[in-house]
Amino acid sequence: NAGVTQTPKFQVLKTGQSMTLQCAQDMNHNSMYWYRQDPGMGLRLIYYSASEGTTDKGEVPNGYNVSRLNKREFSLRLESAAPSQTSVYFCASSKSGGGGRLSYEQYFGPGTRLTVT
Amino acid sequence: GENVEQHPSTLSVQEGDSAVIKCTYSDSASNYFPWYKQELGKRPQLIIDIRSNVGEKKDQRIAVTLNKTAKHFSLHITETQPEDSAVYFCAASSDKLSFGAGTTVTVRA
Repeated sequence: NAGVTQTPKFQVLKTGQSMTLQCAQDMNHNSMYWYRQDPGMGLRLIYYSASEGTTDKGEVPNGYNVSRLNKREFSLRLESAAPSQTSVYFCASSKSGGGGRLSYEQYFGPGTRLTVT
Repeated sequence: GENVEQHPSTLSVQEGDSAVIKCTYSDSASNYFPWYKQELGKRPQLIIDIRSNVGEKKDQRIAVTLNKTAKHFSLHITETQPEDSAVYFCAASSDKLSFGAGTTVTVRA
């Protein structure tokens, strides 16, 4: 089991360029998430997909789009990168993302370090 | 939405001493409280979690306590070792997981 994988590991973009971050999981999880991590701010949820075919905004969705391609894959797209999007991006997955008894451990990918100049 | 506050932001302890990290949450509907450990340059990994129907949970040297009335929960690490040095994040979930800002723990040898 590879768990959660992400590509690329590192990326440098110029302001205005676009790119897609890829994420895949092989644990047959229903829910997938994209977070960004900035110094002193913890992990902030960008978008999530509670199940295949659904996506919802998180805390900081502006400037991003997502696609839940199938149960395994969840991609994050930056259409026009800005310096404020310089961050480390983590993808995660869990059995289910609902509250209460449906809340489960989230497994994180290794992260993508993105720099926008 | 949920707001999670975490204190302290940094914590330095002597090897063998205990470390305590405290978090508060705002949404009384939150009922799942995990703690993640992140070593430098690595991904966050779950170390312990607790649900709202339990007041305390222990796993070897780590324990978590939850006070639903006061809406706060804490992580306790006993007999700290150098490998406990990392950033620790608390989180709370009603429908989505919200993370605290993190505590950088340094264990001095």
